[in-house]
Amino acid sequence: EPEVTQTPSHQVTQMGQEVILRCVPISNHLYFYWYRQILGQKVEFLVSFYNNEISEKSEIFDDQFSVERPDGSNFTLKIRSTKLEDSAMYFCASSERTPIVDEQYFGPGTRLTVT
Amino acid sequence: AQSVTQLGSHVSVSEGALVLLRCNYSSSVPPYLFWYVQYPNQGLQLLLKYTSAATLVKGINGFEAEFKKSETSFHLTKPSAHMSDAAEYFCAVSGTGNQFYFGTGTSLTVIP
Repeated sequence: EPEVTQTPSHQVTQMGQEVILRCVPISNHLYFYWYRQILGQKVEFLVSFYNNEISEKSEIFDDQFSVERPDGSNFTLKIRSTKLEDSAMYFCASSERTPIVDEQYFGPGTRLTVT
Repeated sequence: AQSVTQLGSHVSVSEGALVLLRCNYSSSVPPYLFWYVQYPNQGLQLLLKYTSAATLVKGINGFEAEFKKSETSFHLTKPSAHMSDAAEYFCAVSGTGNQFYFGTGTSLTVIP
């Protein structure tokens, strides 16, 4: 069964460093998402991406965040200058059509630890 | 604005007993509602969704949920718990269709 994959599974970085989290969505999907979950808290929506542009973003997704689909398979989340409060599990998801119509498939997550 | 509240961060049931996981929503527009399950070290998996059709929604693994507008609830139930149901369960709401708002999750333990 097709699945969303994410690399790395765990990333440790120092405050102020840039990190890139990588995701490979399911190949025929057209909608892509990033979520994060701070330990013990809610899963929070960050951004949705369709047709090579951001379709929706939350207030969390400020100027330090960016997303890109650099080629036909990868979908990346970049954090320019990490802060301690960016430590969280980051989930990528994809869907063939809007998630009201089609299921969002989630990856296993990348745990980001900022020290 | 949309939000969900999951009552009970931890629920324990005996194997074979009824599972009831509570979710109440708040939405300024007609909501779309979802339940997801997360097994250890895995991503979230959709159990079921309500998208304004039938108010009683059946999902995978024997789970179902009922949309009750008067109570702003979307509780998840399963008549008979199985050991394999032990996982984290998340309720979510969306108004626009792209931005999802998740609850804090309920950890289900099934006691043999």
